[in-house]
Amino acid sequence: DAGVIQSPRHEVTEMGQEVTLRCKPISGHNSLFWYRQTMMRGLELLIYFNNNVPIDDSGMPEDRFSAKMPNASFSTLKIQPSEPRDSAVYFCATRGSSYNEQFFGPGTRLTVL
Amino acid sequence: KQEVTQIPAALSVPEGENLVLNCSFTDSAIYNLQWFRQDPGKGLTSLLLIQSSQREQTSGRLNASLDKSSGRSTLYIAASQPGDSATYLCAVRPSGFQKLVFGTGTRLLVSP
Repeated sequence: DAGVIQSPRHEVTEMGQEVTLRCKPISGHNSLFWYRQTMMRGLELLIYFNNNVPIDDSGMPEDRFSAKMPNASFSTLKIQPSEPRDSAVYFCATRGSSYNEQFFGPGTRLTVL
Repeated sequence: KQEVTQIPAALSVPEGENLVLNCSFTDSAIYNLQWFRQDPGKGLTSLLLIQSSQREQTSGRLNASLDKSSGRSTLYIAASQPGDSATYLCAVRPSGFQKLVFGTGTRLLVSP
């Protein structure tokens, strides 16, 4: 298996632009997590899906952030409009069952100018 | 609210040394604890997962222990190598939650 796949790996955009980050989970994994990593706050959960349904979005910072999982093999995290403080590394992680470990993708490094 | 602390924040050792990384958490009600490794500019690689009912897990030169009642976990690395240089992150999954709560990490440098 190729592991968790994220795209793009790097994104540089200007303030106010829409940004869409993509994630392909490991085949068969039914739980998907979006995390954000910054120097100041470390790694924080943004949203969690189980069987394509959003279960916990309490970590989504504000309405500018939205996430979808239209099917078991694809998820997106969208920021609209983007702001410089959104600059961070965004990770997607997936898990096969409740007992198992989470596997992380390589991350998307977002820079908002 | 669960908080996870890792000490030390940075550690530098010569190759061949055995070393211990520490992780402490404030709420003992956890489902499991996971140790990760993160290389600069890379994602997280899962090293070991310890369920709340377990005391330790081993993988190669790595051994992780868990003392849930005292809110502590340690990661023991035997015979360290330069390739072990990375940031090591501890994360707990609180009981009743699906998310992981991460520590701030220990940055390890093993010199040849």
